[in-house]
Amino acid sequence: EIVMTQSPATLSVSPGERATLSCRASQSVSGNLAWYQQKPGQAPRLLIYGASTRATGIPARFSGSGSGTEFTLTISSLQSEDFAVYYCQQYNNWPRAFGQGTKVEIK
Amino acid sequence: EVQLVESGGGLVQPGRSLRLSCTTSGFTFGDYAMSWFRQAPGKGLEWVGFIRSKAFGGTTEYAASVQGRFTISRDDSKSIAYLQMNSLKTEDTAVYYCTRDTGWIPDHWGQGTLVTVSS
Repeated sequence: EIVMTQSPATLSVSPGERATLSCRASQSVSGNLAWYQQKPGQAPRLLIYGASTRATGIPARFSGSGSGTEFTLTISSLQSEDFAVYYCQQYNNWPRAFGQGTKVEIK
Repeated sequence: EVQLVESGGGLVQPGRSLRLSCTTSGFTFGDYAMSWFRQAPGKGLEWVGFIRSKAFGGTTEYAASVQGRFTISRDDSKSIAYLQMNSLKTEDTAVYYCTRDTGWIPDHWGQGTLVTVSS
């Protein structure tokens, strides 16, 4: 079973700054990694799949990178609507697994 | 527009059963795999299970925590996916989400339905 580990647990960022979120897999998941954004009381929203491909309608300030076991989600210039919890998820193996999430909060 | 609406949640006693429905519209349901996820109060996301489209055998995969207790099925004629939950435990308390999967990727999510298991 693959374990996904996200860091940091909480990231305090000022609007307009860059945010960098990390996700590590306990074994290689190739490029089969997705990122989701979740706001309070809402369902998750797919941001990135294939480690680096933005989902439909996702702004270009969101970018993903990495392969194998190390992945990064970068938000280039945080907007007010970007403060949320972000999850990575591997879909290379069963069972599917999520990281525990990174909360991006206003500094 | 792709839409998924979960229903069937509520309060249920431990050991009892509940069936959730995921009613969909805006896409050809039979062409897609579907998944269920859950989120306990204040916790992270957990994958529950997956059902392939009929073109890929309609077979299922489950998380170990629900294997043997939960069953996912689909009715392509009604564009509905189901999650049958038996022998419910207090730790099954969560918001349950269904998703449409494109390839292996859950690209559209419903708004979720709350299941509370308590005596």
